[in-house]
Amino acid sequence: AQSVTQLDSHVSVSEGTPVLLRCNYSSSYSPSLFWYVQHPNKGLQLLLKYTSAATLVKGINGFEAEFKKSETSFHLTKPSAHMSDAAEYFCVVSDNRGGADGLTFGKGTHLIIQP
Amino acid sequence: DAGVIQSPRHEVTEMGQEVTLRCKPISGHNSLFWYRQTMMRGLELLIYFNNNVPIDDSGMPEDRFSAKMPNASFSTLKIQPSEPRDSAVYFCASSRDRVSEAFFGQGTRLTVV
Repeated sequence: AQSVTQLDSHVSVSEGTPVLLRCNYSSSYSPSLFWYVQHPNKGLQLLLKYTSAATLVKGINGFEAEFKKSETSFHLTKPSAHMSDAAEYFCVVSDNRGGADGLTFGKGTHLIIQP
Repeated sequence: DAGVIQSPRHEVTEMGQEVTLRCKPISGHNSLFWYRQTMMRGLELLIYFNNNVPIDDSGMPEDRFSAKMPNASFSTLKIQPSEPRDSAVYFCASSRDRVSEAFFGQGTRLTVV
């Protein structure tokens, strides 16, 4: 079985300051991990993915995430927040064993950017 | 590729009516997922198909919901009869295989009055 926990339902930062969105996962196998972003009234867009290559993954719009197996974490970061980053962010795990679990989504973190 | 295409984008229907949501996955993708998103419950996986075969439908709320994938380029999600609590945004997504990243459609916003 696999699961993912997003530790904060809401995160508020000022424009120009760093962003940290936290995600912990549980998986019986070597997982693939993803971050998706959803802007208001839009579909979900892939930000970045980890698939057992480099542990530091760079994505679109200046976001990056680091896979830490010892901590079972995959936190999303950005050095400097922009107003356009305001959105809902989802951490997703897949356990790669080709089983029936498919993708498991976290409950989402709502990122608020203060001017 | 045009991406995952869902229709309609918006649907308003009366309680008791049948509703059919449609999805065209990305060509060459073998896995297709139907999700439902509400404020209360977040994003929920309803069902997923691999090579047109339903693999896991444990997320389908009840017998009023049914999904089909008659071929690799088309899937439907049907609700009959619809109820106000079915109001949500329904997303279809496809992926190359069951463990690769999923690409999402724009969603269908369903309102049952």
